[in-house]
Amino acid sequence: NAGVTQTPKFRVLKTGQSMTLLCAQDMNHEYMYWYRQDPGMGLRLIHYSVGEGTTAKGEVPDGYNVSRLKKQNFLLGLESAAPSQTSVYFCASSYRGLAGLSYNEQFFGPGTRLTVL
Amino acid sequence: AQSVTQLDSHVSVSEGTPVLLRCNYSSSYSPSLFWYVQHPNKGLQLLLKYTSAATLVKGINGFEAEFKKSETSFHLTKPSAHMSDAAEYFCVVSVAGGFKTIFGAGTRLFVKA
Repeated sequence: NAGVTQTPKFRVLKTGQSMTLLCAQDMNHEYMYWYRQDPGMGLRLIHYSVGEGTTAKGEVPDGYNVSRLKKQNFLLGLESAAPSQTSVYFCASSYRGLAGLSYNEQFFGPGTRLTVL
Repeated sequence: AQSVTQLDSHVSVSEGTPVLLRCNYSSSYSPSLFWYVQHPNKGLQLLLKYTSAATLVKGINGFEAEFKKSETSFHLTKPSAHMSDAAEYFCVVSVAGGFKTIFGAGTRLFVKA
């Protein structure tokens, strides 16, 4: 199993350009997540999905859009990149927890380092 | 509301000495608690997890953590540090099926030879 993969690994954009980050998982997980990691701030949730065709906003959703057309893929889009979006982006996935339990171990991809000039 | 506080941004130990990384949390509901490790330029890897079973949790690479509800703490320990333990460690609280997943700011562990 490849686990969680992300493409691309690195990208440099100019302000105003658009791009899409792709996340794929081969573990048949129901839930998928997009985070950004900035120095001294841990990881912050951008958007998440609880199943194919569904998405929801996380803690810092502004400036991003997502889609989950297939269970194994979760796309993160930047329509008009800004320097404030310079960050490392991580995708994660997890099984759905049993009813009444909050157990939820997440599996992470290797990250995409994005620089917006 | 949920929150996680990692009490030290940096910890430095000598190889072979004990490691203590401190984490306090707050949660309105029964939380699940996790420690993840991130080596440079890598993704996050699960070290261990607490899910309301045993309060002393053993993880990979000799790490363990104790859930103390009265102190709202979940500190990570290891009896003897190894050079390969040098990394950043994140304490995480998760409730409501994982939708509310809050990461601590991270503690960077340095291991001196």
